[in-house]
Amino acid sequence: DARVTQTPRHKVTEMGQEVTMRCQPILGHNTVFWYRQTMMQGLELLAYFRNRAPLDDSGMPKDRFSAEMPDATLATLKIQPSEPRDSAVYFCASGESGPFGETQYFGPGTRLLVL
Amino acid sequence: GQQVMQIPQYQHVQEGEDFTTYCNSSTTLSNIQWYKQRPGGHPVFLIQLVKSGEVKKQKRLTFQFGEAKKNSSLHITATQTTDVGTYFCAGGRGTYKYIFGTGTRLKVLA
Repeated sequence: DARVTQTPRHKVTEMGQEVTMRCQPILGHNTVFWYRQTMMQGLELLAYFRNRAPLDDSGMPKDRFSAEMPDATLATLKIQPSEPRDSAVYFCASGESGPFGETQYFGPGTRLLVL
Repeated sequence: GQQVMQIPQYQHVQEGEDFTTYCNSSTTLSNIQWYKQRPGGHPVFLIQLVKSGEVKKQKRLTFQFGEAKKNSSLHITATQTTDVGTYFCAGGRGTYKYIFGTGTRLKVLA
C-alpha cells in the first residue's frame, strides 16, 4: 500500500530556529504539493513541483520559507528563521497527473509548534 | 482573490440521518475534487468531477457538479459513525492548482 511519508511527525521549536520538514512521495508520482493547514486559514497551497522542478511557490513567504526536491524520492520544506505564526500542520501530497487534474495523496503531516 | 466557500461549517446529525454539504466558488472551475479528513488525520481523496452537471455515486455518497461549474455538493444517505470528519471540496483552476474550501465538519451521534 503506497503512501506518502513525512518526517518529523511533530516538531516543537523556539522562535528563530530553523525547521526542516521532509517528504517522500509515492514512487512513480511526478508531482509534489506542500500545504499548510491552520484553523484560521484552512488548507493553503505553499508550493508545487512537477518532475522535481518548482512550478509554483506563490503561496510561500519567500523571505523565510524554501522548498526543494533534491531527488525524486525527497522533498523538503525549510523555515528559517521560524516564527510563532508558522505554527500549523504542514502536509505534503504527491499527485497522479490526469487529463483533467491531479489526484493528490496526502502524507500524515508535520505538526509544528513554534514557541 | 478566488474563494471557495462551504456550508454549513458544522453539522451534527443522528446516525441514520442524511447529510449534505455545499461548495461554492467565486469563479468557474475546471474540475472539483472532494476530500475527507478524519480528526487528527490527513485529507483523503474521495472523487473528482469534471463535467458540467456531472453526478457520481460512491455507495451512500452522491456528488454533484453544478451546471455553471461554480458549485458542487456532497450528499451522504443514512449517515454512519464512520462518516465523522471534515469534508473539503477543492476547486481546480487549470491542471494542478486547487483552492480548498473551508470545510464542513460532520459529527454523527449514535
